[in-house]
This record gives sequence, structure tokens and C-alpha cells, in this order.
Amino acid sequence: EAQVTQNPRYLITVTGKKLTVTCSQNMNHEYMSWYRQDPGLGLRQIYYSMNVEVTDKGDVPEGYKVSRKEKRNFPLILESPSPNQTSLYFCASSLFGGGNTGELFFGEGSRLTVL
Amino acid sequence: AQKITQTQPGMFVQEKEAVTLDCTYDTSDQSYGLFWYKQPSSGEMIFLIYQGSYDEQNATEGRYSLNFQKARKSANLVISASQLGDSAMYFCAMRDDDISNTGNQFYFGTGTSLTVIP
Repeated sequence: EAQVTQNPRYLITVTGKKLTVTCSQNMNHEYMSWYRQDPGLGLRQIYYSMNVEVTDKGDVPEGYKVSRKEKRNFPLILESPSPNQTSLYFCASSLFGGGNTGELFFGEGSRLTVL
Repeated sequence: AQKITQTQPGMFVQEKEAVTLDCTYDTSDQSYGLFWYKQPSSGEMIFLIYQGSYDEQNATEGRYSLNFQKARKSANLVISASQLGDSAMYFCAMRDDDISNTGNQFYFGTGTSLTVIP
């Protein structure tokens, strides 16, 4: 089954404790990206990657890191989480070019609470 | 500057009636894509419909159609014959396809919460 898998789905952590949210897709998509969803603000792009070893900042990259060492994986790293990073996080992937529309395929979301 | 604007935080529609959800966008690129996604209360993001900036015909997918007015920079979603299961949050999104500029970044609106009344 074609899917984007995020882990963990739910996490409560404390300020300053490094954490990683993993994201993996099995559709051979070049494009992967991370979003955070906050009430009243919609989804905002954190980082995106056009292909392996290529990453770019989105609108809200501060406090986050990413890496793209393999095509299928795109982990989101919070080196020193703070309460303002409490949010619902989505990973998504996409394939476009060659006649594809390039819609995003989303993971189920990871709800992160930083105390 | 806001790239995607959805001015209707909440909308109500009677079951079986049609409803239009508004979306305007801001870009100076010639090539871009416009999308609508549905997010039910369970939280997953569901792709509904796509419109390319060079597409001359409005996109349609079943009960969904996208009213694309390029000169006005609007991409309204029309849902015909609303059903109770249409109650959800709806997000409009844009992808800039000018690779020399932003490298295919996606922008989302703040969403419209649609409630279908029996």
C-alpha cells in the first residue's frame, strides 16, 4: 500500500530534550516536506527536499533541522524543543513532472507537546 | 505577505445544496499549481482537486469543481449536492513551479470549516 509513515504519532517531551520525528514513504517520490499545523494558522511549511541531499527552508524553519540521506526518508529533528513548537506535524511527499499533478501525499500526523 | 487567503473561517450548508469555498492566491510566477485538501475531524489530509496555471478548463472531480479565475487570482472550490460526510476543514494550497525562484514550495491557507446541516 502506498503510504507516508510518521513516527511517533503522539509525543510529550520537555524543553530542551532533543527529539526526532521520522518520516518514510514507499512511493519513490523525489519531493518530501514537513509542515506544522496550528489553530487559525493553517499548515506552514518547515522544510522541503527536492531530492536526496537537497533540502530547502520553508516558511518556519527556525528550531528545526532535516536531512535527506535516502530517497525514502526525511526525518525532522528538534535539537532543543521549546513550548512554542507544540503543534501537529505532517510529513508529505509528492511526485511531479511527466504529466503528474504533484499533489502531496500526507502522513497521518504527529502531535507533539513540549512542556 | 500571505500567499493564500481563505476569508471564510466557517461555513454552513444545507444537505444536498451546493457550496462555494473561497480562495485567493498571490504569486508573480507564471507556472504554479493550485490544490484543495479536506481534513475531517479524524485529522488526515485528503487531496481533492488540482488546477494547473496553464489549464484553460476548470478542474472537476466528481462533486468537486474548481472555479479558476486567473486574472482575479482566485481558485474557489465548489461542492455540489453536499453530504453530511463533507463536514470538515478545507484547505486551499498553491505550489510555485518556478524552480529558479522558490524550488516548488507549497503554501497553504488558514482553512475553512464546513458544516453540513441535515
